Amino acid sequence: QVQLQESGPGLVKPSETLSLTCSVSGGSVSSGTYYWSWIRQPPGKGLEWIGYIYYTGSATYNPSLKSRVTISVDTSKNQFSLNVTSLTAADTAVYYCARFRGKTGGVGSWGQGSLVTVSS
Amino acid sequence: QSVLTQPPSVSGAPGQRVTISCTGSSSNIKAGYHVHWYQQLPGRAPKLLIFDNDNRPSGVPDRFSGSTSGSSASLAITGLRAEDEADYYCHSYDSHLGGSIFGGGTKLTVL
Repeated sequence: QVQLQESGPGLVKPSETLSLTCSVSGGSVSSGTYYWSWIRQPPGKGLEWIGYIYYTGSATYNPSLKSRVTISVDTSKNQFSLNVTSLTAADTAVYYCARFRGKTGGVGSWGQGSLVTVSS
Repeated sequence: QSVLTQPPSVSGAPGQRVTISCTGSSSNIKAGYHVHWYQQLPGRAPKLLIFDNDNRPSGVPDRFSGSTSGSSASLAITGLRAEDEADYYCHSYDSHLGGSIFGGGTKLTVL
């Protein structure tokens, strides 16, 4: 059973860059079956897809965030990462890493979520 | 505003049947992209409930079922239980967006 675990800061300042990492165990990010994704959820609101990456390094982003987001994958460490630049309070959310079964498939595995607060 | 539209809330008494709708468009559900459903309990990560329109992952009770028709999808829950009280989200792929989309979520209250 694959497990995903987010790690990163819980508090970041406005205008700074958020960096989160998702460590994968019980499975390999190099599997050709899956896409590795970041999804966020502002407090009290719904889910927002941020983007996903294939093990080759090919990434696709939500157009609404594309200019500020980078997702990368490190197959040697079996992990993938998220960077979000130019943070504002609107980026405050629980950030989930997740595994998609293909680009159009369902999300069968989720991390527990990492609350990130943007505040000075 | 979500590309997939769900009712903000639904409710039902224990034992009853409820349905949650998810309305999309020609670039997602009507285009034939699969719909997936998730249950999110308070303070928890979402859990996959239905994948590829009408399939249940192992361990999900058959009280939960999914269907699609045209540009819409539905999640049905029969034999409602107190533990079904949660937020439910639909999810699909959108060709205009070039990526994934989620519905705004529906809060299910068990009366």
